[in-house]
Amino acid sequence: KAGVTQTPRYLIKTRGQQVTLSCSPISGHRSVSWYQQTPGQGLQFLFEYFSETQRNKGNFPGRFSGRQFSNSRSEMNVSTLELGDSALYLCASSLIGYNEQFFGPGTRLTVL
Amino acid sequence: AQSVTQPDIHITVSEGASLELRCNYSYGATPYLFWYVQSPGQGLQLLLKYFSGDTLVQGIKGFEAEFKRSQSSFNLRKPSVHWSDAAEYFCAVSPPGGDYKLSFGAGTTVTVRA
Repeated sequence: KAGVTQTPRYLIKTRGQQVTLSCSPISGHRSVSWYQQTPGQGLQFLFEYFSETQRNKGNFPGRFSGRQFSNSRSEMNVSTLELGDSALYLCASSLIGYNEQFFGPGTRLTVL
Repeated sequence: AQSVTQPDIHITVSEGASLELRCNYSYGATPYLFWYVQSPGQGLQLLLKYFSGDTLVQGIKGFEAEFKRSQSSFNLRKPSVHWSDAAEYFCAVSPPGGDYKLSFGAGTTVTVRA
């Protein structure tokens, strides 16, 4: 089975722009979660989607949003980028009923 | 509020020596417990998990972890490290049941010297 894939792998944006990151979960996995990893704050939960609905949300401003499609693929969007949004964004998928998350390689976002 | 503490930021160990990484958690009830490993530029790989039952759990790559309820700890061990074990290790917890939100510790970087 293919693992979790994330595109793009690297992204450079400037302050004020917006960005969309994509995540394709493992086939059959219907839960998708997003995490932000920075040297200062570590790994922090952004949100989780299941059946196109956001089930859980972390403590991030409204500039961070996401969605999930009927095929379980997910996107996250960050609007009005700030320098502090530079991070590795990780996506993870889970099989419902199995509390085990499989992570993708991440998207490295650099905001200049 | 739940929290996960990994007291050691960096550990250096000789190849072939044993390794123990510490993890303590603060939580209302016994959470689900996980150890992940991250190699440079990579995502996270699950090493092992504890939900309930036997307090000593075996994982991949020769790792094991022991859950101690009285100490709120879930320490990771490996009897003999290989150079390929050099990486960053994260302890994580999630609420028991169907909540998939993981809370991570700050991580421990392991350096393996020849």
